[in-house]
Amino acid sequence: EDKVVQSPLSLVVHEGDTVTLNCSYEVTNFRSLLWYKQEKKAPTFLFMLTSSGIEKKSGRLSSILDKKELFSILNITATQTGDSAIYLCAGSGSARQLTFGSGTQLTVLP
Amino acid sequence: EAGVAQSPRYKIIEKRQSVAFWCNPISGHATLYWYQQILGQGPKLLIQFQNNGVVDDSQLPKDRFSAERLKGVDSTLKIQPAKLEDSAVYLCASSLNFDVNTEAFFGQGTRLTVV
Repeated sequence: EDKVVQSPLSLVVHEGDTVTLNCSYEVTNFRSLLWYKQEKKAPTFLFMLTSSGIEKKSGRLSSILDKKELFSILNITATQTGDSAIYLCAGSGSARQLTFGSGTQLTVLP
Repeated sequence: EAGVAQSPRYKIIEKRQSVAFWCNPISGHATLYWYQQILGQGPKLLIQFQNNGVVDDSQLPKDRFSAERLKGVDSTLKIQPAKLEDSAVYLCASSLNFDVNTEAFFGQGTRLTVV
């Protein structure tokens, strides 16, 4: 059974701080690792990672995958209150479906 | 491009009643998913369709949950009878194709409260 574990479960920071969110996975016949941001109900797509060591970047957000250690991190620099959300990590493998972790609740205080 | 549409947005029912949720995926997306997200947890897959065929429904509580995707486009998820523990957000998602390694896009979800 595929498994995805995220840490920390919650994080409170102040605006301007840099945060690192962690995701470890055990996915049969791994295809990709995805990050989503969930503010209210709908998760919105951030990144999909398939190759080890290649950083994906979008503005202040970046993510990297380590396929040897079965690990990914999501970095957010110069955090803003609008970054407050639940960040979900999901693995996709031979089952062709997304297995999600429980998420990291990020709160950015002004 | 229109996103994944879901309705209703909210639903409150009493236990033992029935409820149905509707989803219209992004046009041209062959794969459709229904996820259940209980407060404080990540989304859990209930059922996955490829066109109008079921790919995986191993985690669907079939004694009370049913889903269909007639004509391979819209989908409905039904719960009958509902239990208190079914209170959750029900998310529908779609992706281009089962065999293409692309992201899934989510709808706004339906928040179900069973009292």
